[in-house]
Amino acid sequence: AQSVTQPDIHITVSEGASLELRCNYSYGATPYLFWYVQSPGQGLQLLLKYFSGDTLVQGIKGFEAEFKRSQSSFNLRKPSVHWSDAAEYFCAVAPGGGYNKLIFGAGTRLAVHP
Amino acid sequence: NAGVTQTPKFQVLKTGQSMTLQCAQDMNHNSMYWYRQDPGMGLRLIYYSASEGTTDKGEVPNGYNVSRLNKREFSLRLESAAPSQTSVYFCASSEVLRTSGGPYNEQFFGPGTRLTVL
Repeated sequence: AQSVTQPDIHITVSEGASLELRCNYSYGATPYLFWYVQSPGQGLQLLLKYFSGDTLVQGIKGFEAEFKRSQSSFNLRKPSVHWSDAAEYFCAVAPGGGYNKLIFGAGTRLAVHP
Repeated sequence: NAGVTQTPKFQVLKTGQSMTLQCAQDMNHNSMYWYRQDPGMGLRLIYYSASEGTTDKGEVPNGYNVSRLNKREFSLRLESAAPSQTSVYFCASSEVLRTSGGPYNEQFFGPGTRLTVL
């Protein structure tokens, strides 16, 4: 069955430090891959997506993610975290050509210390 | 554009009561979705509507019904609420993206409805 694993439930970093959030998926072929962010009390906002091509994807708010087929991973990174990045981050996958189905990971809650 | 709107924002029900969650989008999207979000479980798809006039079950449809009223509106109904339905409910809509790997629906989410069933 298709699944998404985000191994870290909570992460705390200091403002200005670098960040990497992990995401692993289980699927036979390369799916479409997404990262969403949810600020407190808000809906989900798309940070970035990967469909094919260049494995390093740039998103909004200074985030990037790298698709590694050999590791079935799509980790999210940011070189310097800002206090406003404190939120919950969700990795999601859709089967290649998966027209209507998104499978979400359980989420990683990020706290940022001043 | 307001995007995807949901009403109400908060609701408290007693076990056995019924209610309808409303969702509307003004982006002229064909597809709409209902998800529930529970701690430690991410979002799970309840129902979706690929186009006006069609609805299909998602991962967790039991205890819910949906109506695609028109292209803009997609409602979720709880006929007899249970404490297990305490959750945050998100509506989404999507447009088709043409990619080298085929078409994909990019989903846009509403702000959510926080429902508590006592």
